[in-house]
Amino acid sequence: AAGVIQSPRHLIKEKRETATLKCYPIPRHDTVYWYQQGPGQDPQFLISFYEKMQSDKGSIPDRFSAQQFSDYHSELNMSSLELGDSALYFCASTLRGTGMVSNSPLHFGNGTRLTVT
Amino acid sequence: AQSVTQPDIHITVSEGASLELRCNYSYGATPYLFWYVQSPGQGLQLLLKYFSGDTLVQGIKGFEAEFKRSQSSFNLRKPSVHWSDAAEYFCAVDSGGGADGLTFGKGTHLIIQP
Repeated sequence: AAGVIQSPRHLIKEKRETATLKCYPIPRHDTVYWYQQGPGQDPQFLISFYEKMQSDKGSIPDRFSAQQFSDYHSELNMSSLELGDSALYFCASTLRGTGMVSNSPLHFGNGTRLTVT
Repeated sequence: AQSVTQPDIHITVSEGASLELRCNYSYGATPYLFWYVQSPGQGLQLLLKYFSGDTLVQGIKGFEAEFKRSQSSFNLRKPSVHWSDAAEYFCAVDSGGGADGLTFGKGTHLIIQP
């Protein structure tokens, strides 16, 4: 069965550079979540999308932006990278349907490990 | 490739009873292991993690997990559950920078009976 695909798996960037992370949800899933997890830390919710519209916004820095495209894949764009942006970024998808809260399980990607030097 | 198996899709436990959620992993070396919880309508929260050292790990909300290398398991336990523990629980394996990245199990849905 198809899973959530994230690319790239690893990314090394220098300070002040930009990065784009991609997430391809499970087919027919309408909701995507982005999380950032620093080494040994709690995952921080960044942002979510439902039906190609921003749904919730968490602790996403202004230097970051994200969108969900017509094919439901999502991209997280990160600019002016800082050392503290080094983390594991993972996305998850689910099928929310028309409910306010999804009762479907989350499916996770393998994450993108970003290293900023 | 690494993998994570949570054999129980749903578990129903009476309030006040003990809980054990199973997690088995497949990985060539000693992985980093995590348990996460997602409560209804809320985001993901890290319950506990194992990197190295003491194989019995204490987490938040009264949870603990034990890493057993011989069984490739990292089961989550709680001596007495509360109704607020009803949630989806995910076990995850991180290769720590290795090629496999972070791999989640499919989750276990915990239902608490009054």
